[in-house]
Amino acid sequence: QQQVKQSPQSLIVQKGGISIINCAYENTAFDYFPWYQQFPGKGPALLIAIRPDVSEKKEGRFTISFNKSAKQFSLHIMDSQPGDSATYFCAASTGAGSYQLTFGKGTKLSVIP
Amino acid sequence: GAGVSQTPSNKVTEKGKYVELRCDPISGHTALYWYRQSLGQGPEFLIYFQGTGAADDSGLPNDRFFAVRPEGSVSTLKIQRTERGDSAVYLCASSLYGGANTEAFFGQGTRLTVV
Repeated sequence: QQQVKQSPQSLIVQKGGISIINCAYENTAFDYFPWYQQFPGKGPALLIAIRPDVSEKKEGRFTISFNKSAKQFSLHIMDSQPGDSATYFCAASTGAGSYQLTFGKGTKLSVIP
Repeated sequence: GAGVSQTPSNKVTEKGKYVELRCDPISGHTALYWYRQSLGQGPEFLIYFQGTGAADDSGLPNDRFFAVRPEGSVSTLKIQRTERGDSAVYLCASSLYGGANTEAFFGQGTRLTVV
C-alpha cells in the first residue's frame, strides 16, 4: 500500500515559470512533510519541510502548501531555472519512533530555457 | 568527513553471492538509516540505528538482509545469497539524533547490480 502518492510523474516547465508538484497521504499520524531534491548519481537532499500546524512555508523560490483536511501538500517552485532540473520527492514521517521517511515515487522536473 | 560517505559506489555481484555495503555517517550523528531505491521509485526504508542498536528493522525485506553498527558510527549492510531483485541503489542517511525535526543527510548511495 503506497502511503504517499505523488503527481505528476514528470513535468516540463519553461524557464521563469512555476513548477507545481502534488502529494497526498493516507496515514493521519504523519506529522512531518519534507521535500527532497535528487540529481542523477547523488543522494536526496532536503529542500524544505513543513509540519501540519502551518498551512504554508516559504524559503526563497520554494513554497510548501499544506491542506490537513484534504491530506494533501504541494511544492511550488517559482521562477523555475534550468538548474532546478532534478527529481523531486515528497515524504512523510510520524515524528515518533524511528522517524522513518515514507517517500513518494518522485517527479522528474525538466526546466527548459 | 564533510558528508555521509558510502563505499563502494558501484558493486556488481553474481546471484547467490554475499555482499557488504559500508556507510560512514557524519561525525557525531547518532541516528543512521538505510534505504533502498529501485529504478524510478522513491527510497524505501530498511533499518534505523540509534547509536549501536537497531531501533527499527521493520523495513528489511527478509532474513537475507542484516545490518550492524558496532561502535555507533560506521554501519555495514550485509546481504546474503543475493538475488537479481536485490539490484537497486542502497542509500545511507544520518542525522544528529533520531527526531523528525532533524535533517537527515543522505550519501550518494551504492548501486548494487546482481547478475
